[in-house]
Amino acid sequence: DIQMTQSPSSLSAAVGDRVTITCRASQGISNYVAWFQQKPGKAPKSLIYAASSLQSGVPSRFSGSGSGTEFTLTITSLQPEDFATYYCQQYNSYPFTFGPGTKVDIK
Amino acid sequence: EAQLVESGGGLVQPGGSLRLSCAASGFTFSYYAMNWVRQAPGKGLEWVSVISGGVGTTYYADSVKGRFSISRDNSKNTLYLQMDSLRAEDTAKYYCVKEDGSSWPDTFDLWGQGTMVTVSS
Repeated sequence: DIQMTQSPSSLSAAVGDRVTITCRASQGISNYVAWFQQKPGKAPKSLIYAASSLQSGVPSRFSGSGSGTEFTLTITSLQPEDFATYYCQQYNSYPFTFGPGTKVDIK
Repeated sequence: EAQLVESGGGLVQPGGSLRLSCAASGFTFSYYAMNWVRQAPGKGLEWVSVISGGVGTTYYADSVKGRFSISRDNSKNTLYLQMDSLRAEDTAKYYCVKEDGSSWPDTFDLWGQGTMVTVSS
């Protein structure tokens, strides 16, 4: 199975900050990575697919990059509604696997 | 508007069974692969199972293989997860998730709100 790791596991940031989260795959997965945002008590929300493509309706302050084994999610100018937990996921092959998550909270 | 609504969760004793359902609307259900993803309380996301559109090919996580069975009824636009021999570690919120469908496997583009399963005596 493909293992996904994320760093950091948590971070504190202020409104307006630029935030970068890194995700690494245990083997090459081309660009078959997605990013999800989850707020407490809510279902995850799909943000990015194919490493860098935004899902419909997702603000342009979210961006993704990477290919192979290393991927990043960047939030430029963090907004109050962006405080949440973020997960990466590989969908190159089953079993799909998720990273352990990165919690972004208010500094 | 596309929507997924799960039901069937609840409290069950270890060794018991439960069947989850997911009612889909707002899209052509039969075309798309459908998944179950779970999240134990305070933990991360774990993929559980998938069933393809069309012929209905299935895959399972090792943690549920042989105990859980995924199925779909395209005439009712409904996805199911039959869970047998339940264990305490199966306690989680179970989400129904749709794949985008331009290829297979594909990214997730729609999540339900989830249904909670608690396995306890």
